[in-house]
Amino acid sequence: DGGITQSPKYLFRKEGQNVTLSCEQNLNHDAMYWYRQDPGQGLRLIYYSQIVNDFQKGDIAEGYSVSREKKESFPLTVTSAQKNPTAFYLCASSPTGVGTEAFFGQGTRLTVV
Amino acid sequence: SQQGEEDPQALSIQEGENATMNCSYKTSINNLQWYRQNSGRGLVHLILIRSNEREKHSGRLRVTLDTSKKSSSLLITASRAADTASYFCATADRGSTLGRLYFGRGTQLTVWP
Repeated sequence: DGGITQSPKYLFRKEGQNVTLSCEQNLNHDAMYWYRQDPGQGLRLIYYSQIVNDFQKGDIAEGYSVSREKKESFPLTVTSAQKNPTAFYLCASSPTGVGTEAFFGQGTRLTVV
Repeated sequence: SQQGEEDPQALSIQEGENATMNCSYKTSINNLQWYRQNSGRGLVHLILIRSNEREKHSGRLRVTLDTSKKSSSLLITASRAADTASYFCATADRGSTLGRLYFGRGTQLTVWP
């Protein structure tokens, strides 16, 4: 089945630790995105990538890092520098082009313990 | 902020009634999209309306767009309990060469059996 897969579904992190969230897609999409969602809030863009080996900061990139070594994969690392990492993280992909439909994964809920 | 803003924040109706949600935005857009999110899940694309369109239908969904007022509405007719979800509007900026979308905070729709 074609789609976008995020793992794990739930993730617990101790303060001071880095954690990496996985995002894989088999839709052959060039563009991939990471969003953060807090309760009662909309989606805020963390990072996006339009093509392999290239990515740009979104609106809230501080404390996060990404890589795009393969077209299918766009992992997000939440570093210890992110002061309030507890949130729901959503990965999305879309074909290249302005305002094309985005396809979302099922999300990873990260909790700092 | 370039985010869209949905109104109302929450809407509670009985099965069979119609549900109307509104979205206002601030910039010139290429298109506007509506997404649905079930609790704890990823977003699912519902419908896309281009800036030169005024109305679009898809099944029980009807979307209107008024670019002069920078607003859109989503109408769900004959609602069902399964329509219970959060609904988000997202805009794609005109003139942007990138595929990013700007999301609002969403309307939480509850449909009672």
